[in-house]
Amino acid sequence: DQQVKQNSPSLSVQEGRISILNCDYTNSMFDYFLWYKKYPAEGPTFLISISSIKDKNEDGRFTVFLNKSAKHLSLHIVPSQPGDSAVYFCAASYDTDKLIFGTGTRLQVFP
Amino acid sequence: DTGVSQNPRHKITKRGQNVTFRCDPISEHNRLYWYRQTLGQGPEFLTYFQNEAQLEKSRLLSDRFSAERPKGSFSTLEIQRTEQGDSAMYLCASSPYRGPPYNEQFFGPGTRLTVL
Repeated sequence: DQQVKQNSPSLSVQEGRISILNCDYTNSMFDYFLWYKKYPAEGPTFLISISSIKDKNEDGRFTVFLNKSAKHLSLHIVPSQPGDSAVYFCAASYDTDKLIFGTGTRLQVFP
Repeated sequence: DTGVSQNPRHKITKRGQNVTFRCDPISEHNRLYWYRQTLGQGPEFLTYFQNEAQLEKSRLLSDRFSAERPKGSFSTLEIQRTEQGDSAMYLCASSPYRGPPYNEQFFGPGTRLTVL
């Protein structure tokens, strides 16, 4: 059972535009959500997180939105830069337990 | 500022051999996690420690897998009698326990295992 789903395997965006990556989850007990970025042959790098009691969190060019009723979160990157090209994973956890990851979305930012 | 380190970065072994991986977490972090990642998938949880206590093991962790964190600092993951299906990237992460719900985990570069 895939509790965290990223239904778009890839996304291509022009430099300077907005990138929107989406994630859906099924377990209503999740209370913390995170986004990670991963380059080839490296471990995932933490980007931004959000608690289930909030609906938005911003950090520089990155904003995460959480819609609990729809069990949906999204990551907005504005403006997108070529260095943002990577695989992005969303993850969720309950009560500081293990992280449950989605399958990832490959973002390509082109000039 | 040193992050999570893992050794070796790459390991090629023959089926049936035993392998051991090491993870050194960020020094002030008391939680340490092991995950496994295969191609096209996100990382999958294997086990985690709080200090030296192993708090949870995934059903993915067969009897051939064992993990230790003897002094609450570094950890080792051993796979006995490796099988080709064990080929994957093995990731270690650490986190400073801050109480629920906060759960930022910081990953090392991983150890890529290839079983021939």
